[in-house]
Amino acid sequence: KAGVTQTPRYLIKTRGQQVTLSCSPISGHRSVSWYQQTPGQGLQFLFEYFSETQRNKGNFPGRFSGRQFSNSRSEMNVSTLELGDSALYLCASSPNPGGTDTQYFGPGTRLTVL
Amino acid sequence: GENVEQHPSTLSVQEGDSAVIKCTYSDSASNYFPWYKQELGKRPQLIIDIRSNVGEKKDQRIAVTLNKTAKHFSLHITETQPEDSAVYFCAATDSGGGADGLTFGKGTHLIIQP
Repeated sequence: KAGVTQTPRYLIKTRGQQVTLSCSPISGHRSVSWYQQTPGQGLQFLFEYFSETQRNKGNFPGRFSGRQFSNSRSEMNVSTLELGDSALYLCASSPNPGGTDTQYFGPGTRLTVL
Repeated sequence: GENVEQHPSTLSVQEGDSAVIKCTYSDSASNYFPWYKQELGKRPQLIIDIRSNVGEKKDQRIAVTLNKTAKHFSLHITETQPEDSAVYFCAATDSGGGADGLTFGKGTHLIIQP
């Protein structure tokens, strides 16, 4: 099976802009989780989608949002970008939600905010 | 929510020696504990996981132990090799609710000295 894919791999934006990142899960996986990775804060949970519904959300402002489509592909959006949003954004897929199954990570999207 | 502490932040061992990384968690409801390895510029990859109904799990040179009473779990790598050099992350979640997704430790940079 093909692994989790993310597009784009790299992105440069300026403060105040918005950005949309995409994640395609492993075929058959219905749960997609998003994480932000920074040197200072490490890996932090953003949100999880399952069957097109946001199942839970981490401690991030409302500028961070996401959605999931009927084919399980997911997008996350960050509006009004801030310098502190510069990070590696990772998505992970699993067959079922929560900690029921192993989560498999994509390669990430490196976002740089100038 | 869950809080995971990981120690040490950096660990340097001689090739062939053993390495031990320790994590503690705060939420007694957590029952799934995966370990991920992340090489520079690559995605996190699951190396081993354990659920709360077992105390120890082994996979070749890698083992994980769990002490639910103490809320403590550890990764043990024996006969270390140069390719073991990477950052290792522990994580915890409650597979029943998973309200916070995977909560990660801050990571351990494992350096294998030749």
